[in-house]
Amino acid sequence: AQSVTQLGSHVSVSEGALVLLRCNYSSSVPPYLFWYVQYPNQGLQLLLKYTSAATLVKGITGFEPEFKKSETSFHLTKPSAHMSDAAEYFCAVSDRTNAGKSTFGDGTTLTVKP
Amino acid sequence: DTGVSQDPRHKITKRGQNVTFRCDPISEHNRLYWYRQTLGQGPEFLTYFQNEAQLEKSRLLSDRFSAERPKGSFSTLEIQRTEQGDSAMYLCASSLFLDSNYGYTFGSGTRLTVV
Repeated sequence: AQSVTQLGSHVSVSEGALVLLRCNYSSSVPPYLFWYVQYPNQGLQLLLKYTSAATLVKGITGFEPEFKKSETSFHLTKPSAHMSDAAEYFCAVSDRTNAGKSTFGDGTTLTVKP
Repeated sequence: DTGVSQDPRHKITKRGQNVTFRCDPISEHNRLYWYRQTLGQGPEFLTYFQNEAQLEKSRLLSDRFSAERPKGSFSTLEIQRTEQGDSAMYLCASSLFLDSNYGYTFGSGTRLTVV
């Protein structure tokens, strides 16, 4: 069984400030972890992924993961926010027993203030 | 690679009517997934196909829902006798079988409003 909890449904930062979006997960087997971004009226785009082989695969746009196995956390960070980062972000978990199905968190809406 | 296409983008229907959505995955992708997303929530798994075979259906998929992928290419999702609770964004995603655990490519979704 898997679950994902995104802490904070809304996060607001100023342009240029650090972005930290929080995600905690649970999985009974080594997980595959993902962050997706969704812009209004669009589907989800894969932002980055972390495999259970501990291989970090970076995505796009300067975001990086903060993975702590002991805390079962998979936060998303970016050193300096840009106006174009405003969107909804979803954390997701899968594993090798799930045929690729993912369990998603409820999302965090990021607002970037000028 | 033209991405995953979904049609229509928006659908407004009266309660009790039937609706059908179409998804065209990336051509070489043999796995296709349907998810439903309601306001304020993340996507929830509905069903998936490997080639033309429907391998799993969620308990969310009531008897009024049916999905097909007749030739292992495009897929359709039909909802019969729509209810207001069916109002949601229906998302399609695809991947290669061997890459399924490494994330999907999603379509832009079909937003269904039942009035």
